[in-house]
Amino acid sequence: GENVEQHPSTLSVQEGDSAVIKCTYSDSASNYFPWYKQELGKRPQLIIDIRSNVGEKKDQRIAVTLNKTAKHFSLHITETQPEDSAVYFCAPGGNTNAGKSTFGDGTTLTVKP
Amino acid sequence: NAGVTQTPKFQVLKTGQSMTLQCAQDMNHEYMSWYRQDPGMGLRLIHYSVGAGITDQGEVPNGYNVSRSTTEDFPLRLLSAAPSQTSVYFCASSSQGYEQYFGPGTRLTVT
Repeated sequence: GENVEQHPSTLSVQEGDSAVIKCTYSDSASNYFPWYKQELGKRPQLIIDIRSNVGEKKDQRIAVTLNKTAKHFSLHITETQPEDSAVYFCAPGGNTNAGKSTFGDGTTLTVKP
Repeated sequence: NAGVTQTPKFQVLKTGQSMTLQCAQDMNHEYMSWYRQDPGMGLRLIHYSVGAGITDQGEVPNGYNVSRSTTEDFPLRLLSAAPSQTSVYFCASSSQGYEQYFGPGTRLTVT
């Protein structure tokens, strides 16, 4: 099955700094690369995703970059704010994996005011 | 649209009891999945389904059964509850395996 690793497991930044989280995966058939945000006590929610025919996607302060050759993709958050504090998960997969997604172990981001 | 709904929100079981966690979605999604999330951990796939009548095992299927008789519903059955099954359970649905929409979760405690 898919082997997914996320780094770092915890990340603490000052408000206004940037944060980068990296996700590596093993299944070269994966064609969908999402990032989910989970606030304390809440359900995970998609914040940004990218498909395999695109190298980068940006949505205001967040961006995702993909390197299919090296089998990794990264979440970039600029100008971090305290409300960005949460756990972030990657879950590479897509329609080639019969709906079976493997989630990374998560990165706990803390933004200090 | 209600999205993905789950019942109950909270449940306490005694060891050996059985129960069914309910999950329903109104988005006409083909794909549905059950995950468990232990404290401070990621989401582990229990069972998933790519359409009515089709189910398959995920990473941690032991002790759980599923069925998918309709597109909308995907119940998860605990056969004989054990303390190791204490966790938060999330149901999710997606179209074609892309963005997953999660339910609010069921917090289960087994004593």
